[in-house]
Amino acid sequence: EIVMTQSPATLSVSPGERATLSCRASQSVNSNLVWFQQKPGQAPRLLIYGASTRATGIPARFNGSGSGTEFTLTISSLQSEDFAVYYCQQYYNWWTFGQGTKVEIK
Amino acid sequence: QVQLVQSGAEVKKPGASVKVSCKASGYSFTDYYIHWVRQAPGQGLEWVGRIFPNSGVTNSAQKFQGRVTMTRDTSIATAFLEVSRLRSEDTAIYYCAREVWFGEQLYAMDVWGQGTAVTVSS
Repeated sequence: EIVMTQSPATLSVSPGERATLSCRASQSVNSNLVWFQQKPGQAPRLLIYGASTRATGIPARFNGSGSGTEFTLTISSLQSEDFAVYYCQQYYNWWTFGQGTKVEIK
Repeated sequence: QVQLVQSGAEVKKPGASVKVSCKASGYSFTDYYIHWVRQAPGQGLEWVGRIFPNSGVTNSAQKFQGRVTMTRDTSIATAFLEVSRLRSEDTAIYYCAREVWFGEQLYAMDVWGQGTAVTVSS
């Protein structure tokens, strides 16, 4: 099983600042990586697929990068609605999720 | 619009089984995989398995093999997840999600159901 490790577990950021979230795979997953956003009481929402392509309707402030084993999700200027938990997921070998990064208000 | 609507919350005793449904609308049900993902209270997301409604072919995570059954009824565009021999650790929200193919090696779960809470308690 491919293990996905996200860091940090919690990120405290002020509105308007940049947030950088990391995701590491235990082996190469090429670009077979997806990012989700989840708010309390809601289902996950697709943000990024193919490591770097924004899903339909996702604002340009969300950017994904990386390939192989190292991936990054950058939120360029945090808005109030962006405070949530973010998960990466690989689908190179079945599907596994990272444990999540909670982005909270500083 | 594309939508997945799941059945309501369930409370079960240890050792029992639970069957959760996921009704699709707004797209061709048989053309897209349906995945099942669960989330224990306060925890992260865990992939359970998937079914291709056209053929009924299923794949599941190794830890669930032998204990989960995924089926579908194409006449009502509904997928089902049954979990047997329930234990307290199965207490979670169970989500269904559609898998979409964007081309080449680009896949993602793009539409999710609202989730079904399953509580296992004696």
